[in-house]
Amino acid sequence: DIQLTQSPSFLSASVGDRVTITCRASQGINHNLAWYQQKPGRAPKLLIYAASTLESGVPSRFSGSGSGTEFTLTISSLQPEDFATYYCQQVNGYVTFGPGTKVDI
Amino acid sequence: QLQLQESGPGLVEPSETLSLTCTVSGGSIRSSNYYWGWIRQPPGKGLDYIGNIYYSGATYYNPSLKSRVTISVDTSKNQFSLKLTSVTAADTALYYCARLRSLPTGAFDIWGQGTMVTVSS
Repeated sequence: DIQLTQSPSFLSASVGDRVTITCRASQGINHNLAWYQQKPGRAPKLLIYAASTLESGVPSRFSGSGSGTEFTLTISSLQPEDFATYYCQQVNGYVTFGPGTKVDI
Repeated sequence: QLQLQESGPGLVEPSETLSLTCTVSGGSIRSSNYYWGWIRQPPGKGLDYIGNIYYSGATYYNPSLKSRVTISVDTSKNQFSLKLTSVTAADTALYYCARLRSLPTGAFDIWGQGTMVTVSS
């Protein structure tokens, strides 16, 4: 089984901050990693796939990088609507999700 | 545009079988580039992958749930379904259906709104 860990699990930030979330895989997964944003009471929203490809319609302040076992999601300038929980997800073998990172004020 | 909608009972008794259906509208389930999946989220917790299916019927399950899960597809109705047997309180969750793009994307790009299922007598 490929396990994903995320750090930090909780992040306190302010509007305008640069925010970075890390996702680590227990085995190499090439570039097969996606990032999601979830707001309370809403379904997750796909932000980035294949580690660094921005999903259509997602603001360019979101970016992803990494390969193998270490990946990052960066929000270049945090906006009020970005306060949410972020999950990474891989699909080597079968799908697994990371435990999530809550970005709060 | 493509939409997914979950349906099924909101309350299931312990030891019974949870059954949900996801109806796909605005597009065909018979697409060669997509799989169709189930994900759940216990209250206040993270996302838990259950499994997914291809329109041909090929299935992929989370090993931790495999012994209790069956996912099936009905292409004539543009639907896919989830059955989870021998449920306990630990299966109480918000259940989502979602479309999974095949690799190299390998991500869930369209989600249903989710349906809450409570396991209780």
